[in-house]
Amino acid sequence: DTGVSQDPRHKITKRGQNVTFRCDPISEHNRLYWYRQTLGQGPEFLTYFQNEAQLEKSRLLSDRFSAERPKGSFSTLEIQRTEQGDSAMYLCASSPNRGPAYNEQFFGPGTRLTVL
Amino acid sequence: GEDVEQSLFLSVREGDSSVINCTYTDSSSTYLYWYKQEPGAGLQLLTYIFSNMDMKQDQRLTVLLNKKDKHLSLRIADTQTGDSAIYFCAGGLSGYNKLIFGAGTRLAVHP
Repeated sequence: DTGVSQDPRHKITKRGQNVTFRCDPISEHNRLYWYRQTLGQGPEFLTYFQNEAQLEKSRLLSDRFSAERPKGSFSTLEIQRTEQGDSAMYLCASSPNRGPAYNEQFFGPGTRLTVL
Repeated sequence: GEDVEQSLFLSVREGDSSVINCTYTDSSSTYLYWYKQEPGAGLQLLTYIFSNMDMKQDQRLTVLLNKKDKHLSLRIADTQTGDSAIYFCAGGLSGYNKLIFGAGTRLAVHP
């Protein structure tokens, strides 16, 4: 088990461009989360998936943001028409649906987005 | 909603104990977590405590929970330079999937 992986690790884009990030959760973890972390702050919850169903979305997730998990395995987070305020670290986490780690969220290394 | 507050910075001498404090507003948080983040890295879960517990010890780490004062602390015994990082406390409800994080405490360990 290699842990949660995210790709790319770094992304630099110009304002107005679209970007897409990918998250591969730990195998057999059917719960997946996206968080955003800005400089000097803790992570803020964006959205949550149980298998392929997106069950919760934060008000932080504006219309320019969309997340998918089409087959209940990997997930993508797309930001359209990026703005400088979108610059942040985007973190993905996963959890199992049962067992002793049920209440634990395992985080990936994050994707750092810089919008110029 | 939930709010979690932490002091921003702590400096300790190598070999001393570190105590990182956290206060939270939502008494319905079922689980309280401590995560560690090293520069450029994701978050590593260190330990967590269920809200019906007062204390949990795991090797060099001791978590104390005062539910009355809504205060959580993390004690690191024999602090080492490798413990230098940002430490986040977070609250969550069992079966509810969002964690609420504090802003983090930067721990600096000096010789």
